[in-house]
Order: sequence, then C-alpha cells, then structure tokens
Amino acid sequence: DTGVSQDPRHKITKRGQNVTFRCDPISEHNRLYWYRQTLGQGPEFLTYFQNEAQLEKSRLLSDRFSAERPKGSFSTLEIQRTEQGDSAMYLCASSLPTGREGYTFGSGTRLTVV
Amino acid sequence: AQTVTQSQPEMSVQEAETVTLSCTYDTSENNYYLFWYKQPPSRQMILVIRQEAYKQQNATENRFSVNFQKAAKSFSLKISDSQLGDTAMYFCAFLRGSTLGRLYFGRGTQLTVWP
Repeated sequence: DTGVSQDPRHKITKRGQNVTFRCDPISEHNRLYWYRQTLGQGPEFLTYFQNEAQLEKSRLLSDRFSAERPKGSFSTLEIQRTEQGDSAMYLCASSLPTGREGYTFGSGTRLTVV
Repeated sequence: AQTVTQSQPEMSVQEAETVTLSCTYDTSENNYYLFWYKQPPSRQMILVIRQEAYKQQNATENRFSVNFQKAAKSFSLKISDSQLGDTAMYFCAFLRGSTLGRLYFGRGTQLTVWP
C-alpha cells in the first residue's frame, strides 16, 4: 500500500471552469475526509465519508462543491464555476472506522484559479 | 463548536535544544482524542503523536512528548534534541469522542530549527 494518493498534484484553471480532484485512500480505511488549506492556516474541514455514505458536510461548503465516493473506494471532489477564492490546497485523508488512531493524509492538490 | 488554539504562530530553536509548542482547546466533552501533526515544506501532513483523554499518562514517541493537562484543557508538544528535519508547520488537532467524526485543527505553529 502506497498511502493516500491524490491526483493531480497541481491544477491551474480559469475562473468559471469546473475542476475535479481524485483521492485514493489506504485500502483498509473506510473513512475518507476532504479538507481545504490556505497559506498559513490550519486545514478546514469540507466533508467526510464512511464507505460510500457522506456523513457530514461543512456548512461553509457552497453548493458549487460536491463530493462522491462511489463503491466506498476512491473519492472525487468537484468544484463548479471556480472562483479566485477557491485557490487553495485540497487535502484528502483516510482513517480506520473511528478515526481515533489518527488520519493518514495525501500530498494534496494545489488549485490555482486565475 | 470545538475550538483549538495555537497561540504561537512561529517558534525557533537551535539544533539539539528543546522546544515546547502550546495548544489549548475548548470542549464540554469528557472523552476525546488529541493529536499533533507535522507538515514539512513538502506539504504532506504526518501524525507525530496522539493522546487519549481518559489516559492520564502523557504520550511519548522517541524525541516527542506531550504535556496533557485535562483540567486546563492544554496539550503542549515537547521536542527534545531538535533536528534540522524538525523544521515544519505543527498542527494541534482535536477529535470528539462522542461522534468520532471530523478532526478540528488549530492554525498551526511554524517551527524553524537552525544550526
């Protein structure tokens, strides 16, 4: 197992375009989390899944953001009609069922909206 | 809502010395978990150490140890014999025991270890 994989590592897009990111968790982990991080800040929670069920979604998340985890394996995070304020590092993490052992993070996807 | 506060935006320490990073949190729960994560310039977050609130003994992982003061809601990280590779952003994080859902992160402390 190579850990949590995120693709792409970097994405530059024009304002108004849609973007989609992918996360492949550790295979034994049934929990998967998405966070957003801007420079100099701590990770900000977006949403998380247990298997294919989306259990929580941040109220800060606008309806332009959607996440899926079909079949409880990999997950995708889509941002529609991107805005400059969406520029950030998008982090994916996975964990065992309770998360109390801690998360394993991926390397992140750096999004730049121009 | 749970809050995690890291009051030191930046810290620096000389190689081989000891440094302590501070973290306080606010919760009404009695059962929870606390974590310190390290984020080197490569940006991948790595778990450094974890503490279960119902355990009185402070966690230790090699050169890293915590001072967990439950009544004061304080969870500091001590790094002994600092190494250049310890240079990173350090985040304190909180997990509610009642829901075991999302982690709540502080804003981080940038630690620089200099020769």
